[in-house]
Amino acid sequence: AQSVTQLGSHVSVSEGALVLLRCNYSSSVPPYLFWYVQYPNQGLQLLLKYTSAATLVKGINGFEAEFKKSETSFHLTKPSAHMSDAAEYFCAVSHGGATNKLIFGTGTLLAVQP
Amino acid sequence: EAGVVQSPRYKIIEKKQPVAFWCNPISGHNTLYWYLQNLGQGPELLIRYENEEAVDDSQLPKDRFSAERLKGVDSTLKIQPAELGDSAVYLCASSSGTGATGELFFGEGSRLTVL
Repeated sequence: AQSVTQLGSHVSVSEGALVLLRCNYSSSVPPYLFWYVQYPNQGLQLLLKYTSAATLVKGINGFEAEFKKSETSFHLTKPSAHMSDAAEYFCAVSHGGATNKLIFGTGTLLAVQP
Repeated sequence: EAGVVQSPRYKIIEKKQPVAFWCNPISGHNTLYWYLQNLGQGPELLIRYENEEAVDDSQLPKDRFSAERLKGVDSTLKIQPAELGDSAVYLCASSSGTGATGELFFGEGSRLTVL
């Protein structure tokens, strides 16, 4: 069975500070990993995805994530937080195939302080 | 290009009443998903359609939930009768593939409150 664990349901950073949102996965097969963002009262939007190509993945809005197999991690980072980054972030895993199912973590709510 | 459209955005009903949610996916997307998002939780898949066929409905509580996707385009998710624990956001998403490596496009969700 696959799963993802997001450490920290709430993260608060100052504007301009580094953003680090943690995600660890569990999968018996090589996983595909995703980060989605949800702004208030909006649907989820894909930030970036890892599909077994480059381990460092760059996404929209300056975010990036690194796939580390040895640590079973896929942490999301951004060098400098902006007020507009305040949102909820979800890590997700799937293994592809005909019965693919996207499994989401419980989410991390990011607050950005001025 | 229009995104995934859901309606209604908000619905308040009393327990034991029926409720239905509608979803119009992005044009050309053959895969449609209904997810349930409880407060403080990540989305959980209820049902996935490939065209008009439900290919994964293992998480759909079939005693009270039903879904259909006529003609492989729009979809409706119904709850009858609703229970207090059904209060949540119901998200619809679509994709042009199975979603394994492709991107899911989500609607804004339908927030249900059961009193």
